Amino acid sequence: GAGVSQSPRYKVAKRGQDVALRCDPISGHVSLFWYQQALGQGPEFLTYFQNEAQLDKSGLPSDRFFAERPEGSVSTLKIQRTQQEDSAVYLCASSGTGATNEKLFFGSGTQLSVL
Amino acid sequence: AQSVTQLGSHVSVSEGALVLLRCNYSSSVPPYLFWYVQYPNQGLQLLLKYTSAATLVKGINGFEAEFKKSETSFHLTKPSAHMSDAAEYFCAVSDGGYQKVTFGTGTKLQVIP
Repeated sequence: GAGVSQSPRYKVAKRGQDVALRCDPISGHVSLFWYQQALGQGPEFLTYFQNEAQLDKSGLPSDRFFAERPEGSVSTLKIQRTQQEDSAVYLCASSGTGATNEKLFFGSGTQLSVL
Repeated sequence: AQSVTQLGSHVSVSEGALVLLRCNYSSSVPPYLFWYVQYPNQGLQLLLKYTSAATLVKGINGFEAEFKKSETSFHLTKPSAHMSDAAEYFCAVSDGGYQKVTFGTGTKLQVIP
């Protein structure tokens, strides 16, 4: 596609519900990142994939958060038993090879509200 | 550990005035530094990046930033603000790895007509 696509754009969940957020990176991009952006804050790193391999998940806040990219393209971020503190915008980004001087392309994000 | 500090969560300038958004970084290794812009309901867009080449970096939309190692700063400037520059700006740092980027808390720029 032309850019990084994320769905849904908005998600409202009741506390305790499981949610799944989808990211479609730019076709052919090797690297994929998930970031969490709380209200009034900068994005914070959650996890990184190179193709289907999850190379870094050090930013995942708890074991309720799980991400996968089984075929090296589309990625899903799953949050189990959502809590109010999970309310945030979840951003996905991708890049061609993952080289540091390469440009990251961000999606518009999924805004998650946990009631 | 790497980090960035953005001074001022809100900055207001008059249309046509100089824009100066401040960023100081901390990194244990020579850093890669970035400025991103976020318009309402849109994803982050890269404005410019410093990757150890020229210390004065020119980006899109007339923005530029200067890397000053002695001051550990990477301030963003634009000589003349335009109404379309109103957005939130994020400074970010990477330690040169695989683009694991650490963002600042952002500065919202308001442009007054």
